[in-house]
Amino acid sequence: QKEVEQNSGPLSVPEGAIASLNCTYSDRGSQSFFWYRQYSGKSPELIMSIYSNGDKEDGRFTAQLNKASQYVSLLIRDSQPSDSATYLCAVILRMDSSYKLIFGSGTRLLVRP
Amino acid sequence: SQTIHQWPATLVQPVGSPLSLECTVEGTSNPNLYWYRQAAGRGLQLLFYSVGIGQISSEVPQNLSASRPQDRQFILSSKKLLLSDSGFYLCAWSKGSGRPRQFFGPGTRLTVL
Repeated sequence: QKEVEQNSGPLSVPEGAIASLNCTYSDRGSQSFFWYRQYSGKSPELIMSIYSNGDKEDGRFTAQLNKASQYVSLLIRDSQPSDSATYLCAVILRMDSSYKLIFGSGTRLLVRP
Repeated sequence: SQTIHQWPATLVQPVGSPLSLECTVEGTSNPNLYWYRQAAGRGLQLLFYSVGIGQISSEVPQNLSASRPQDRQFILSSKKLLLSDSGFYLCAWSKGSGRPRQFFGPGTRLTVL
């Protein structure tokens, strides 16, 4: 079983719709979760972090965490064509004196005008 | 504010040639530093991480090595490149303490021919 799993997509939604991106993880001890956005040919950009169960909202983005189900999701409201990118879910694995981010393979989102 | 630089942005090298990629961080001290590789259409693979000058941990045995000669400088090297070394190389930093959010540099796209 992969440590962090995402559906590769593409997830296609019309402009203005809500895009829902999902991620599951295998390590029950994980405490920190991140969503990165990566445009084609560019480096990943951190867009959301979440550490506690429940929802965290930032503008059009909402991250949702359910540690009991080992599930984290990202909702994008009022999707725009500029949101078209690959979204990477990442989970922290703590090492001796540092942290290791375990990444999912990403979900490609396509927002149709 | 913190800034992370990588160079070169793109590189085409023949098989068997040496490699040196450089990463520098500005605006912070004692960062944790990371090297990742992203192969075409694949997820991010952690190669090395460093919690301080001269302290390097390797995640995957391979043809590459890393060094940290200064607090905010991280170098990725190879003596002889292989075809399989082609990919998108990303440097990232995080604070040495507190919430372990990682921020990525712009990346170096390496093609080995």
